[in-house]
Amino acid sequence: AQSVTQLGSHVSVSEGALVLLRCNYSSSVPPYLFWYVQYPNQGLQLLLKYTSAATLVKGINGFEAEFKKSETSFHLTKPSAHMSDAAEYFCAVSASGGSYIPTFGRGTSLIVHP
Amino acid sequence: DTGVSQNPRHKITKRGQNVTFRCDPISEHNRLYWYRQTLGQGPEFLTYFQNEAQLEKSRLLSDRFSAERPKGSFSTLEIQRTEQGDSAMYLCASSLGGQGHQPQHFGDGTRLSIL
Repeated sequence: AQSVTQLGSHVSVSEGALVLLRCNYSSSVPPYLFWYVQYPNQGLQLLLKYTSAATLVKGINGFEAEFKKSETSFHLTKPSAHMSDAAEYFCAVSASGGSYIPTFGRGTSLIVHP
Repeated sequence: DTGVSQNPRHKITKRGQNVTFRCDPISEHNRLYWYRQTLGQGPEFLTYFQNEAQLEKSRLLSDRFSAERPKGSFSTLEIQRTEQGDSAMYLCASSLGGQGHQPQHFGDGTRLSIL
């Protein structure tokens, strides 16, 4: 069984500030972990993925995430927020082996203030 | 790569009617997934195809729901006798097959509203 918990349904930051979106996972086998972004009335777009290689994963648009097995976490960060980063962000986990169907978290809405 | 295409983008119908949605995946992708997303939630898995074979179905997929993928290309999702609770965004995604986890590419979804 696998699950994802995203802490905070909304995160508000000022433009230029650090972005930190939290994700904790549960998986009985080594996980694959993902972050997706969703803009209004659009589908999800992959930001980055962890697949047991480097624990620090760099993605698109300046985002990165660090896999910490001891903390079962995969938090998403960006050093400096842009207005265009305002969107819904979803963390997802899937188990290595099997059908690779991901389980998504409930999402975190990122609000960026000018 | 023209992306995953879903039609229609919006569907409004009366309770009790049948609706059908279509998904055209990225042409070289042999895996296709359907998800349902309600407001304030992440996507919930409904069903998954590898080529034309439907390999997995969620418990969310009641007997009013049916999905097909003839010839392993486009897919349709039909909901019969729609209910208020079916109102949601229905997302389709596709990915390459093979070993390991290939990233899913999502369409923009079909938003269903039941009156």
